[in-house]
Amino acid sequence: AQSVAQPEDQVNVAEGNPLTVKCTYSVSGNPYLFWYVQYPNRGLQFLLKYITGDNLVKGSYGFEAEFNKSQTSFHLKKPSALVSDSALYFCAVRDGGQGNLIFGKGTKLSVKP
Amino acid sequence: DAGVIQSPRHEVTEMGQEVTLRCKPISGHDYLFWYRQTMMRGLELLIYFNNNVPIDDSGMPEDRFSAKMPNASFSTLKIQPSEPRDSAVYFCASSRTQGGNQPQHFGDGTRLSIL
Repeated sequence: AQSVAQPEDQVNVAEGNPLTVKCTYSVSGNPYLFWYVQYPNRGLQFLLKYITGDNLVKGSYGFEAEFNKSQTSFHLKKPSALVSDSALYFCAVRDGGQGNLIFGKGTKLSVKP
Repeated sequence: DAGVIQSPRHEVTEMGQEVTLRCKPISGHDYLFWYRQTMMRGLELLIYFNNNVPIDDSGMPEDRFSAKMPNASFSTLKIQPSEPRDSAVYFCASSRTQGGNQPQHFGDGTRLSIL
C-alpha cells in the first residue's frame, strides 16, 4: 500500500535562511509525487510535481524539490526563505499510473523576520 | 482561468439540520473529489466522481453523507442530519485525469460548524 510521511509537524527558519521540509514515501510501483501549500483560510495550492528523470524539480515561488530514489524521499527546499512562505505544506504521492493521491499530515512552516 | 469554486465559504447551523455544500469544478476536468480536513485526522478523501459518476465513496463516513454530480459543472455534498462531529473544512478538488502526474486543483473550502 502506498503511504507518505512528513516527519516534522513544524519547521522554524529565519528569513533569508535556506529551508527544507521533509517527505518520505512508500509505493510499490513508480512514484508520482507532489507538493502543495495551504495558506490560512485557503485551499491547497499546487506547488510542484516530480517528473521522471529529474532529481531536482523547480516549482512556483522559488521552491524546488529533491527526489532521492534510494532514500525514497522528496524533500521541499528553498534557498532563501521569506516571511510570506509561512504556511502549511503537504506532500502527496500516487502509486503508479492510476490511483488516488495520498496526502501527508502536513508540516507547518514558520519563517521569522 | 477560473479555479474550483465552492459555496458557501462558511456555514454555521444547529445539529440536526440539513447542510448542502456546493462545488463548481474547473471546466474540462473529468474528475471531481470531495475532501474533509480536520486537525485530528488531517485531509480525508470522502468520494470522487469521473464524468459525473461516483467511482469510490468508501471514505464517506456514514449514511448521513451523500454526494451528487448532476452535470459536469456542479456537485453537491449533503449532510442530513448534521452532528457537531461533522464540523470541519470541506474541500472540493478537480483534475483533468486521475493518473500519472496530473495534480488536483482545490477550491478554498467550506468551513462548517455544527452547534
